[in-house]
Amino acid sequence: GESVGLHLPTLSVQEGDNSIINCAYSNSASDYFIWYKQESGKGPQFIIDIRSNMDKRQGQRVTVLLNKTVKHLSLQIAATQPGDSAVYFCAENIRGTGANSKLTFGKGITLSVRP
Amino acid sequence: DTEVTQTPKHLVMGMTNKKSLKCEQHMGHRAMYWYKQKAKKPPELMFVYSYEKLSINESVPSRFSPECPNSSLLNLHLHALQPEDSALYLCASSSSSTGYLSTDTQYFGPGTRLTVL
Repeated sequence: GESVGLHLPTLSVQEGDNSIINCAYSNSASDYFIWYKQESGKGPQFIIDIRSNMDKRQGQRVTVLLNKTVKHLSLQIAATQPGDSAVYFCAENIRGTGANSKLTFGKGITLSVRP
Repeated sequence: DTEVTQTPKHLVMGMTNKKSLKCEQHMGHRAMYWYKQKAKKPPELMFVYSYEKLSINESVPSRFSPECPNSSLLNLHLHALQPEDSALYLCASSSSSTGYLSTDTQYFGPGTRLTVL
C-alpha cells in the first residue's frame, strides 16, 4: 500500500493493494472524527467514524486510526477495488452539543485505483 | 434508512431570478445543514438549523435565505445570485443529540448543482 498526506492531491493504487490515506488535524479540542467518500456528482458518503477516546476502529474493509499525540488520523482500505475510486475527506468535530456542532473538513484527496 | 433527498438535481438561473433548493429527510434528525462546495474543494458550512431554529449562520450573504418549515424539510431561497455562487449545494442532517458526547454524524444528500449565468 501507499500512504500520502493530504498536501498531495492524488493517491494512485493498484487494484487489490491496501490504501492508506492520512490526515493531520490541528485542533486538540476535536473529539470526533469522520471519514467521508465523495464520488463524482454525488454528496459525501459516511464511511467510518472514531471518537477521541479510541485509537482504532474497524469497519468492513476499512480501518481508522487516531493518534492524538501527533494529531493524526488515517484511513486504511484493504484490498482496494475500482469502486473505491473517489475523493476522501477527513472531518473533525469539536466537542459540544449537537445543536452547535460543526464539522471542519480537510482538503480532500483523490484515490485512483488502477485495474 | 440514512437518506437525505435534494431537489432539483441541477439548476440554471440568471442573476435576476428567484429560485429555491429543497432538502428532505425522514430519519427524525433535528439538525439540518446547508453547505456550499466548489469543484475540488471540501464542503463549506453555510447554515445550521437545530430544532427548526437557525443556530449557525456562517456570515452568508443575504441573497441566500434559509428556511426550515418543519423538522423534515429545509429550503434555501436564492435571489440575485452572482456567477461566483455557482457550486454544488449540499444538505445534511444529524441527530443533534445533546450531552457531553454528542453523536453528530452528518448524512449528506446528493446535492444540487447550481449554475448562475
